[in-house]
Amino acid sequence: QVQLVQSGSELKKPGASVKVSCKASGYTFSRHAMNWVRQAPGQGLEWMGWINTNTGNPAYAQGFTGRFVFSLDTSVSTAYLQITSLKAEDTAVYYCARDLGNPLAGIIDYWGLGTLVTVSS
Amino acid sequence: QSVLTQPPSASGTPGQRVTISCSGTTSNIGRNFVNWYQVLPGTAPKLLIFSNFQRPSGVPDRFSGSKSGTSASLAISGLQSEDEADYYCGAWDDSLNGNVFGTGTKVTVL
Repeated sequence: QVQLVQSGSELKKPGASVKVSCKASGYTFSRHAMNWVRQAPGQGLEWMGWINTNTGNPAYAQGFTGRFVFSLDTSVSTAYLQITSLKAEDTAVYYCARDLGNPLAGIIDYWGLGTLVTVSS
Repeated sequence: QSVLTQPPSASGTPGQRVTISCSGTTSNIGRNFVNWYQVLPGTAPKLLIFSNFQRPSGVPDRFSGSKSGTSASLAISGLQSEDEADYYCGAWDDSLNGNVFGTGTKVTVL
């Protein structure tokens, strides 16, 4: 069965960096794009962008350029989200979420459990 | 920031029918499919409805979706206690060239 297993919660200080991992199993990794979605405390879901798991080419939504980097290690079917120069407002749960297609079909069919990133001094 | 608008809450007693609306624009719902996601506390979000009205395997037929113009709806008939969750609509937005989600609706079973 399809599984997206994300890394554990992180507590970081402002200005630090964090790298969240998302290990996929149960399907051919390169056949499905990977989305990243953020949910800030008490807020709704916010799409951050996606990465083509065949080419490694990322695309970022407005508001997620510069400090946010999507990457892959296809040898272990894992996607990564790195956030640099962390700010308090980056505190959120970050989800990896599989798309039905690659490139995007616009349908997210499986989600990870989410990784809580807390930014606090 | 959510581009699609949903009511913040909806409620019903067991067995009742609850409907959740999702309002968008011509650049998203008006031109593209709508999907619905269920978020139960402490669990991964789950795809409930895709392409406006299609149900993934395993989703009970108590859940149904529809779309008209720039709005969509999710209906839950025969409401059950386990349906208490947050529900989000989602669609592709041609202007933003990305996925957009609704503001989310919390369904409470009274």
